[in-house]
Amino acid sequence: EAGVTQSPTHLIKTRGQQATLRCSPISGHTSVYWYQQALGLGLQFLLWYDEGEERNRGNFPPRFSGRQFPNYSSELNVNALELEDSALYLCASSLQENTEAFFGQGTRLTVV
Amino acid sequence: AQSVTQLDSQVPVFEEAPVELRCNYSSSVSVYLFWYVQYPNQGLQLLLKYLSGSTLVKGINGFEAEFNKSQTSFHLRKPSVHISDTAEYFCAVSDTGSNYQLIWGAGTKLIIKP
Repeated sequence: EAGVTQSPTHLIKTRGQQATLRCSPISGHTSVYWYQQALGLGLQFLLWYDEGEERNRGNFPPRFSGRQFPNYSSELNVNALELEDSALYLCASSLQENTEAFFGQGTRLTVV
Repeated sequence: AQSVTQLDSQVPVFEEAPVELRCNYSSSVSVYLFWYVQYPNQGLQLLLKYLSGSTLVKGINGFEAEFNKSQTSFHLRKPSVHISDTAEYFCAVSDTGSNYQLIWGAGTKLIIKP
């Protein structure tokens, strides 16, 4: 069974551009979570989607947004990129909000 | 507010030696505690979790952790490490068990020396 898959694995953008990151959850999982892992820091919760709806978001500015599609895949959009947005972005999925979350390998976003 | 402190950013240890990775948390309510492992170029994987009951929790790959409420700690231990244990280990806490409410430590890199 395929795990959580993220694309692309690496993404290089210039300041001010937009980035789109994609995530496919494990089959049957309806909850998708996005986290930012900046260098030397722990994971910071970004967004939680379930059944196509945004259920909760972390303490990030509105230029971080996303959506969940009918097949439960998700995309994260970051507008007006800033240098400090450079980080590893991890996606995770779970059956329910309080069951084990399974993580993808992440997308390494570099803003230059 | 909750917080998690992983006291060591890196822990070097010789192969077959024991290891302890330290995690302290602060919370005013009861908590759920987790350890995740991130192998190089891979996503995070759940090692073990404490929800309630016995304070000694056994996880995968021979790891175990002990919940100490009085010291607000949840240290991870393994009696004998292997080169394949080289990874970054993250401690996380939640007061609800909800994935989106996990508070994460900064991680500890376990470096196995041959």
